[in-house]
Amino acid sequence: AQTVTQSQPEMSVQEAETVTLSCTYDTSESDYYLFWYKQPPSRQMILVIRQEAYKQQNATENRFSVNFQKAAKSFSLKISDSQLGDAAMYFCVKEGGSEKLVFGKGTKLTVNP
Amino acid sequence: EAEVAQSPRYKITEKSQAVAFWCDPISGHATLYWYRQILGQGPELLVQFQDESVVDDSQLPKDRFSAERLKGVDSTLKIQPAELGDSAMYLCASSSGQATLNTEAFFGQGTRLTVV
Repeated sequence: AQTVTQSQPEMSVQEAETVTLSCTYDTSESDYYLFWYKQPPSRQMILVIRQEAYKQQNATENRFSVNFQKAAKSFSLKISDSQLGDAAMYFCVKEGGSEKLVFGKGTKLTVNP
Repeated sequence: EAEVAQSPRYKITEKSQAVAFWCDPISGHATLYWYRQILGQGPELLVQFQDESVVDDSQLPKDRFSAERLKGVDSTLKIQPAELGDSAMYLCASSSGQATLNTEAFFGQGTRLTVV
């Protein structure tokens, strides 16, 4: 079975600082998608950023960027200039065959003013 | 902006009763997912549909859970009988179903079930 591991149950960052959330995954596929989803308290899950495995270039979306290391099966999320609104649960997600989505257990991010 | 609609938002039911949740995906989305999310954990897939067909229900407790998507549009997830351990958030999501295109999944706000 495919697994996604987030080794940091909780992280905290000062407002305006940078934080990196870690994720590793297990797969035998060569082509797949990776995502980071954000789930704010009592609100619905939304996509933060996505990465296609066949693309070597790391994805970037404004203050959010990833460090994708395909050989190491690592996919970390970097949040720059952290804002109070970034506080949420962050899930690393792998999409494999048949669009099946496998979630990690999540990292709870706290942003301190 | 198109959204995945779920109802009810909250449900309290007694142990051994039946309960049902409804999901209306984004129009045109062929793939529909039902996830169960226990507080503080990541979502776990219960069932995945491609149009009206079940693609994956390997983690669905079939003795008490059932799911259908009869016309390939909206979907219903049923639990009968409910047990205390079923208390969780039930999330519905949909995606375009086109493997060569954007496979982003869009999530509904979920149904929070409490079994007492």
